Amino acid sequence: GNSVTQMEGPVTLSEEAFLTINCTYTATGYPSLFWYVQYPGEGLQLLLKATKADDKGSNKGFEATYRKETTSFHLEKGSVQVSDSAVYFCALLSGGYNKLIFGAGTRLAVHP
Amino acid sequence: GAGVSQSPSNKVTEKGKDVELRCDPISGHTALYWYRQSLGQGLEFLIYFQGNSAPDKSGLPSDRFSAERTGGSVSTLTIQRTQQEDSAVYLCASSLFGGRATEAFFGQGTRLTVV
Repeated sequence: GNSVTQMEGPVTLSEEAFLTINCTYTATGYPSLFWYVQYPGEGLQLLLKATKADDKGSNKGFEATYRKETTSFHLEKGSVQVSDSAVYFCALLSGGYNKLIFGAGTRLAVHP
Repeated sequence: GAGVSQSPSNKVTEKGKDVELRCDPISGHTALYWYRQSLGQGLEFLIYFQGNSAPDKSGLPSDRFSAERTGGSVSTLTIQRTQQEDSAVYLCASSLFGGRATEAFFGQGTRLTVV
């Protein structure tokens, strides 16, 4: 079945460090891929998305590229801020089923 | 409404009691999802509605769990004879069509504690 695997956290970084959170997926067909973020005390919200191979989603300095050959959608940011501290969830939407499947989430803590 | 609304925000119930959790999706959104988020865990898919129909109920953990949606709008998740392992945050999300690029909007969740 379809699934999403993302790196375990917590990830602890100093401000201005480079961030990578790995995400790989298993899916039939051609899923759409998403990163959602959950800030402390808030609900989940969409961070970025990509709907086909080689698409790059970007938002708020974060980027992720849909790599079909490696079935990956790694999240990157060149310089993190304290305000980026949150839990990040990788997700896929399988074509034809409309089931949004999430990874386990990765907690990011950024220190000044 | 302006966003997805869930009620109650917190619910403490005794083991064995039934509970109802409510979700008001964004007006006009045809797709509605229920997820469960246990402490330190990811989001566990429970059920998906397209309109009033539930094409995928595969995530419901047991026959104690049921959900319905009426008028293509409000949805209720019911847990009968609650158990302690049902304690979690129950999240509802809605999206416009549920298509490939459609963003899902989440509510703040209902934190259920079974004592």
